[in-house]
Amino acid sequence: DADVTQTPRNRITKTGKRIMLECSQTKGHDRMYWYRQDPGLGLRLIYYSFDVKDINKGEISDGYSVSRQAQAKFSLSLESAIPNQTALYFCATRSGSYNEQFFGPGTRLTVL
Amino acid sequence: AQKVTQAQTEISVVEKEDVTLDCVYETRDTTYYLFWYKQPPSGELVFLIRRNSFDEQNEISGRYSWNFQKSTSSFNFTITASQVVDSAVYFCALSEAAGNEKLTFGTGTRLTIIP
Repeated sequence: DADVTQTPRNRITKTGKRIMLECSQTKGHDRMYWYRQDPGLGLRLIYYSFDVKDINKGEISDGYSVSRQAQAKFSLSLESAIPNQTALYFCATRSGSYNEQFFGPGTRLTVL
Repeated sequence: AQKVTQAQTEISVVEKEDVTLDCVYETRDTTYYLFWYKQPPSGELVFLIRRNSFDEQNEISGRYSWNFQKSTSSFNFTITASQVVDSAVYFCALSEAAGNEKLTFGTGTRLTIIP
């Protein structure tokens, strides 16, 4: 089984709808992250969390919110989706000892 | 501010050729970490290597090798005897010292191996 899972894998929604993307991990890592990937722009950090009580904004947090329900679960919400939030979204985890991050399979979100 | 530049947007080589992917970084920190990730057509991001700023020793893993040169702020990635399965987008990334969680990615290099 994959160490980092994301649901859904694909989602098409309409402008103004509320969307939640979920991430779960079995790696036992404290740190979790949400990124978005846009063509030609690489990955950009939306939010990150050191533990359940510690959540921080990344470089492009406007229009997004997150919830760390447990050490293993980190959800990303779009309260009112807009077309320029169409992107590939990745969840990642990291242990406290090493700096590499391990990514989930991604969620492809399309906002019409 | 930290920055990663991958000037090669797309590269195509014939199978079995060697290919080098360039990565140039900028950081003000003296302690930092460099990474390479592979994104195959299936879309997932696969961690390939981490290199610490205080360790300039080059690394080889099978057909993959990495050349880290602090003097030129570069962390280049070479694939020897390329194979079709190497076709992917490759990202170089930089993270500054512990406590700063920001992982800055380059824009990626799309590598196509022609059979």
